Amino acid sequence: KQEVTQIPAALSVPEGENLVLNCSFTDSAIYNLQWFRQDPGKGLTSLLLIQSSQREQTSGRLNASLDKSSGRSTLYIAASQPGDSATYLCAGASGGSYIPTFGRGTSLIVHP
Amino acid sequence: NAGVTQTPKFRILKIGQSMTLQCTQDMNHNYMYWYRQDPGMGLKLIYYSVGAGITDKGEVPNGYNVSRSTTEDFPLRLELAAPSQTSVYFCASSGQETQYFGPGTRLLVL
Repeated sequence: KQEVTQIPAALSVPEGENLVLNCSFTDSAIYNLQWFRQDPGKGLTSLLLIQSSQREQTSGRLNASLDKSSGRSTLYIAASQPGDSATYLCAGASGGSYIPTFGRGTSLIVHP
Repeated sequence: NAGVTQTPKFRILKIGQSMTLQCTQDMNHNYMYWYRQDPGMGLKLIYYSVGAGITDKGEVPNGYNVSRSTTEDFPLRLELAAPSQTSVYFCASSGQETQYFGPGTRLLVL
């Protein structure tokens, strides 16, 4: 059974800093890994999806990488802004099913 | 496209009451899911469906039931509400890749 862990649980940084959010998973036979953003009181919005055959995906200031051998994915946020404040969750699907397992998320605060 | 819609947005139930949480998607996705989210606990999968007429249990199915009679709709039924079912419930849908989430239903059982 896939288990997904996110460290740290919370992070507070000053505006403009480059930062890395970490996600680890136990089953290296991963089909894909997704990163989501959740604003308070809202649903989840997909940010990036990395297929098992890919090493990374980029969207604007966001870059996500996938290393199956080490069981890790990272979400890199460049030049952070207060509007980036949210909870970021990763989810990995493995074992031939398309059912993702979610981590508990990292709560990010970017202060001016 | 409306995406994934959920009703109601908020509901208060008394212990022992029943209710149905509605979920509809207009993206013709085969996969649909119900999650619950408790503070600091991430998302727990309740039930999922891989197509009309096919449903399966997730990690925390006890106290819930689902049906999938059409591709678009995936209602979640609570038969005898208990305080432990106080949570935020999210419905999601997907092809075989990106998941799309609804805005959630906040349920309070007193």
